[in-house]
Amino acid sequence: DTGVSQDPRHKITKRGQNVTFRCDPISEHNRLYWYRQTLGQGPEFLTYFQNEAQLEKSRLLSDRFSAERPKGSFSTLEIQRTEQGDSAMYLCASSIGLALTDTQYFGPGTRLTVL
Amino acid sequence: AQSVTQLDSQVPVFEEAPVELRCNYSSSVSVYLFWYVQYPNQGLQLLLKYLSGSTLVKGINGFEAEFNKSQTSFHLRKPSVHISDTAEYFCAVSDYNNNDMRFGAGTRLTVKP
Repeated sequence: DTGVSQDPRHKITKRGQNVTFRCDPISEHNRLYWYRQTLGQGPEFLTYFQNEAQLEKSRLLSDRFSAERPKGSFSTLEIQRTEQGDSAMYLCASSIGLALTDTQYFGPGTRLTVL
Repeated sequence: AQSVTQLDSQVPVFEEAPVELRCNYSSSVSVYLFWYVQYPNQGLQLLLKYLSGSTLVKGINGFEAEFNKSQTSFHLRKPSVHISDTAEYFCAVSDYNNNDMRFGAGTRLTVKP
């Protein structure tokens, strides 16, 4: 069990550029979650997948954001036309079961800085 | 929708002293409650969770929390803290109606020698 991994750990980009983050969940975990964490705040839910199906998206997830989990394993989160307000830590978590009560295991996060 | 308030943004305490980190929630239905810890440069790690049953929940690293429905609280306690407990602690809530977990803003616990 190698834990949840995220790549890259840090990303600096210029406003208007597109960025893509990757999350590899713990093997055989069915659910995968994306959160955003800004400085001084707790994580905010963005979206989650059950296997390859994206079942819920937060209103925080504007049209510039898209997430995929094509084979029910790793997931990508893409932000198009980045804005300075997108600067944050993007967290991924996975859980083995289908209930929200199942423990979510978090990755170390990808810190995005938009200049 | 459910929400969480962590009443203290920072809690400084001396080593071996007891500590309580406060958390209040709001929800119109029954809730599940969680405490996570985030050590520097590490991912969030679950300390404990309340789903149902006994209102006193014991977690890892000697932490415990008590669910109080009448006061809508889920305070985290440890009788004697160590330097290694220095971290950010997050309270979170979810309920039967939602598939997302709402986190508080966090409490930074600093344990001094």
